[in-house]
Amino acid sequence: DAMVIQNPRYQVTQFGKPVTLSCSQTLNHNVMYWYQQKSSQAPKLLFHYYDKDFNNEADTPDNFQSRRPNTSFCFLDIRSPGLGDAAMYLCATSIGTSGTYNEQFFGPGTRLTVL
Amino acid sequence: AQRVTQPEKLLSVFKGAPVELKCNYSYSGSPELFWYVQYSRQRLQLLLRHISRESIKGFTADLNKGETSFHLKKPFAQEEDSAMYYCALGMFSGGYNKLIFGAGTRLAVHP
Repeated sequence: DAMVIQNPRYQVTQFGKPVTLSCSQTLNHNVMYWYQQKSSQAPKLLFHYYDKDFNNEADTPDNFQSRRPNTSFCFLDIRSPGLGDAAMYLCATSIGTSGTYNEQFFGPGTRLTVL
Repeated sequence: AQRVTQPEKLLSVFKGAPVELKCNYSYSGSPELFWYVQYSRQRLQLLLRHISRESIKGFTADLNKGETSFHLKKPFAQEEDSAMYYCALGMFSGGYNKLIFGAGTRLAVHP
C-alpha cells in the first residue's frame, strides 16, 4: 500500500543532544510537511518542501531544520532539543498542483521525549 | 490572523444520539474547510471537505460564511465514531497548500 512512513515511532533524547526524525513516502507526492503537535493542542506546521523548494513557517524556531535528499525522504533535525520540544511530530504529503487544494496524507507520527 | 476554534475538548454521547462537533474559523480570504479524524491507534486522515458537499460515514458539514462556522453533524452516532476530530482551514498558495488545525474534539460514543 502506498503510504507515509515515520521512523522511529518513539524517540527519546537528552536535553541538548541533536536528534533526527525520518519520514518516507511511496505516494510520489511533490509536497512534504512537518507538523509539531503538543499534548492536547492542534498540529502546528513547522515547514514544508515543494519538491526541493523549502518553505519555513515564520514562527518555527531556528533549532528546527529539515532536509529532503530526494522525493521519497524528508528529515526533521532538532539541533539542541529542549524540554519544550517534547511532542508528537507528524509528517504529511500532498500532490502539489496549481489551482486546487489537495488532501494531505499523514504518517503515524514520532513521539519525541526529551530527558 | 487565521485561526480555527473548536470549543469542546470532549463530546460524550450515547449511541443513536445526534452529534454536532463545533468549528469556527477566522480567515479574511475565501476559506476551504476540512474535517480530519484520528481513530484510536490510527493516523490522521481526511474525513470530508466542504467543497465536496458529501456525506462520509453519515457525517455532513455545511460551511456557513455568515457565522464563520463549519460544524460537523451526524444524526445517529455509532460507537465506531469514537475518535479525535480536527477541523482544519486550508489555504492554497504557490502550488502547495497549508492547513491550520483546531485543537480537536474527542468524541466518545457510549453503548
